[in-house]
Amino acid sequence: GAVVSQHPSWVICKSGTSVKIECRSLDFQATTMFWYRQFPKQSLMLMATSNEGSKATYEQGVEKDKFLINHASLTLSTLTVTSAHPEDSSFYICSPRGGMNTEAFFGQGTRLTVV
Amino acid sequence: QKEVEQDPGPLSVPEGAIVSLNCTYSNSAFQYFMWYRQYSRKGPELLMYTYSSGNKEDGRFTAQVDKSSKYISLFIRDSQPSDSATYLCAMSAGGSNYKLTFGKGTLLTVNP
Repeated sequence: GAVVSQHPSWVICKSGTSVKIECRSLDFQATTMFWYRQFPKQSLMLMATSNEGSKATYEQGVEKDKFLINHASLTLSTLTVTSAHPEDSSFYICSPRGGMNTEAFFGQGTRLTVV
Repeated sequence: QKEVEQDPGPLSVPEGAIVSLNCTYSNSAFQYFMWYRQYSRKGPELLMYTYSSGNKEDGRFTAQVDKSSKYISLFIRDSQPSDSATYLCAMSAGGSNYKLTFGKGTLLTVNP
C-alpha cells in the first residue's frame, strides 16, 4: 500500500493557540488531499478536500478560516487549526489520493487536545 | 436513511471464530468498496478493496459485494486477539479523487 506520513501523532495546546498538522505522501504524488476528523467512537467525518495548488473545498459546517489547509506540493499538505478551543479536540486524519491509486490510504492520525 | 448503514456492535467472539461484518447502502452509484481496520488512536488501515460485485479473498479475510442487494460483507476466519479493532466499511462512486462514504464502524473484540 501507499506510504503516508502524518505528524505529530499527538499534540496538546493551550486554548487560543494554533496547531499545524503535516501529511506527506512518501511514494506517490498526491494530487488530492482529504482531511478528516473523528470523534471518540464515531466514524470519520470529511472536513475538506484540496487539490494541489488550489484552494480547499470545505464540507458544510466546517469553518474555512479556522481550519486552514495548504496543499502547495504533490507530497505535502498541512492542516492548521487556528485559535484552537477545547471543542476542537479530536483525532485528525489525512488521506492523500492520486497517481494510480483508486483505493484510499490514510495517515496515522493526530490526536489534538486543547486545554 | 443514511447512505451507509453499519451495525456498531460491539461484537465479541472467542478466538478461532468466524466473524461476519456487514454494511448496507442506498446509493446505487457506489462501485468501489473498501474495508478498513482501525486500532485505537491509529489511522485506518486498508484491508480489502473490491470493485463492483463479487468476492475477494486475502489470507483469512474475504470480502463480498452484492450490488443487487446493496450489501457488502467482510469475513474473518480463524479470528485472533490481534484482530480486535474497529472495522469500517467505505465506498465511493469511483475514480481516485472521489469522496469516500463511511459506515459507523463495528467494534470487534476477539477473546483469547
